[in-house]
Amino acid sequence: NAGVTQTPKFQVLKTGQSMTLQCAQDMNHEYMSWYRQDPGMGLRLIHYSVGAGITDQGEVPNGYNVSRSTTEDFPLRLLSAAPSQTSVYFCASSSKTGTGAGELFFGEGSRLTVL
Amino acid sequence: AQSVSQHNHHVILSEAASLELGCNYSYGGTVNLFWYVQYPGQHLQLLLKYFSGDPLVKGIKGFEAEFIKSKFSFNLRKPSVQWSDTAEYFCAVTPYSSASKIIFGSGTRLSIRP
Repeated sequence: NAGVTQTPKFQVLKTGQSMTLQCAQDMNHEYMSWYRQDPGMGLRLIHYSVGAGITDQGEVPNGYNVSRSTTEDFPLRLLSAAPSQTSVYFCASSSKTGTGAGELFFGEGSRLTVL
Repeated sequence: AQSVSQHNHHVILSEAASLELGCNYSYGGTVNLFWYVQYPGQHLQLLLKYFSGDPLVKGIKGFEAEFIKSKFSFNLRKPSVQWSDTAEYFCAVTPYSSASKIIFGSGTRLSIRP
């Protein structure tokens, strides 16, 4: 029962470096999303996807890219890391329709520090 | 686009006190509403959800929430809090019956004095 798996759990980057946060789910969920959590600001949606091949921007998409080539995987790419991207990142998935729609299952989080 | 407001940033209560956390949303159509809880050092987990029907919904651990459509509100309540309820609470909204762009409020930190 893996659920949503995120890697890495911790990462330190230097300004300008790029990296990819991995996210995989084994629940056959159509909906997947990335959030960042900062103190006092709650969870802010970065990008989301309602199915393979479909992605869309959330509230704070700048500096991040995503792709959804399979139902299971939804990686988040930081193109050129900046200190403002220091945060805790959460991947989450959900059924897209029906009684489970919007009930998010979260990964354990990835703590990213950009120096 | 939808948005969510949680006006209480930090609430401090004594054990056995009653709790009400405010949540207001903005959206031009029908919505699904959620409350999530994040215990210290953990990721978010679902407390309860409203899709349709009875506007008073009950969740886990004795929590309940009431959807008041005319006020665009979905306040979380618990009659008697325990020290173990210390956590951060988030309200979230998404368009009705479809997961799409699920937006969270800024959260309310709840501290319970033993």
